[in-house]
Amino acid sequence: KNEVEQSPQNLTAQEGEFITINCSYSVGISALHWLQQHPGGGIVSLFMLSSGKKKHGRLIATINIQEKHSSLHITASHPRDSAVYICAVIKGEDNDMRFGAGTRLTVKP
Amino acid sequence: DVKVTQSSRYLVKRTGEKVFLECVQDMDHENMFWYRQDPGLGLRLIYFSYDVKMKEKGDIPEGYSVSREKKERFSLILESASTNQTSMYLCASSFLGQGRNIQYFGAGTRLSVL
Repeated sequence: KNEVEQSPQNLTAQEGEFITINCSYSVGISALHWLQQHPGGGIVSLFMLSSGKKKHGRLIATINIQEKHSSLHITASHPRDSAVYICAVIKGEDNDMRFGAGTRLTVKP
Repeated sequence: DVKVTQSSRYLVKRTGEKVFLECVQDMDHENMFWYRQDPGLGLRLIYFSYDVKMKEKGDIPEGYSVSREKKERFSLILESASTNQTSMYLCASSFLGQGRNIQYFGAGTRLSVL
């Protein structure tokens, strides 16, 4: 079983919809990242979280340390949000980074 | 802005060829990483380096080697490419103090081995 599980694997939405992507992990962590990978491969870091909630524009990321769960929300989704979203954790014991398999989001106009 | 540059976006090679994937970063980062990304498996660490001439095996080092002769450049080498090495390869870098907390990624190299 992967240490980091994401759901769903694929998500198709209509423009304007509220999007939620989930990430569960099974190890102790010091931090969690949400990454965005555009078609063609480039990856950018959206958020780094160790507790609570962060907001940047239409993106909101939350983490519940006790439940070992994080969510990424996109409000008023737009076709330019179409990308693969990857959850990554920094393991607390050894600082190793572990990645989820990614969620492919397609937002249709 | 941090820039991590991978020398090729797309590569097509034949089985048995020696393949070099180059990565250069311009922010004087100590740490550099090579990952491969496969559908359903996410990113997996191949090798990383925390200093010039230093290297550490990641989770899947078999069939790969690396070279870090200069701080800004980290090369991934496939000594004898095989079809199961067809994948997307991503390079990343970070400051030593941040460990792996904030990594900056290159655009990726999509390698096809025929």
